[in-house]
Amino acid sequence: GAVVSQHPSRVICKSGTSVKIECRSLDFQATTMFWYRQFPKKSLMLMATSNEGSKATYEQGVEKDKFLINHASLTLSTLTVTSAHPEDSSFYICSVGRNSNQPQHFGDGTRLSIL
Amino acid sequence: GQQLNQSPQSMFIQEGEDVSMNCTSSSIFNTWLWYKQDPGEGPVLLIALYKAGELTSNGRLTAQFGITRKDSFLNISASIPSDVGIYFCAGSQGNLIFGKGTKLSVKP
Repeated sequence: GAVVSQHPSRVICKSGTSVKIECRSLDFQATTMFWYRQFPKKSLMLMATSNEGSKATYEQGVEKDKFLINHASLTLSTLTVTSAHPEDSSFYICSVGRNSNQPQHFGDGTRLSIL
Repeated sequence: GQQLNQSPQSMFIQEGEDVSMNCTSSSIFNTWLWYKQDPGEGPVLLIALYKAGELTSNGRLTAQFGITRKDSFLNISASIPSDVGIYFCAGSQGNLIFGKGTKLSVKP
């Protein structure tokens, strides 16, 4: 069965809207979750590592004030794209691993389209 | 930063043919992973490799962790139409570094 649940699967909204994406670990408690961004026909790029009970770790070039991450429980991490603009349109995917030595399992992704 | 070179970029094959793709890196990884991604979905784990030289199979899929820990290959035998998709390698040292993907097309 699914290890990770990501919601919503698709969002279409106007420029300036803030959008929240949820990622749930279904199979185990996850102190760490990962958020990726994928452009069309491109590979996955790690945006940030979500840490339960503490601040997220952002990759170089990713604006933390733009992409707000909250990991308030051991099964839920949220990514909020604040004041989204057309250039934020992309496929956002979260992943979860039991620990750093175990493979990451991915959610089904969220297709974000900003008009 | 670390990069993975995945090849080929794309493949067009006939149903029943075998497929081979590989990834190389300038860095050493502790784990090599192979994922498949269908359009509009997240990647699905196919095979995980943990030891240098390890050879692991999953049905018609076989993957190996290179001895130098800097490379890995994935073979698919007797391809079928549902093998169509994009295959990604990923190396892990905690965080995952992804290859650019191999797009596989299978002609019935």
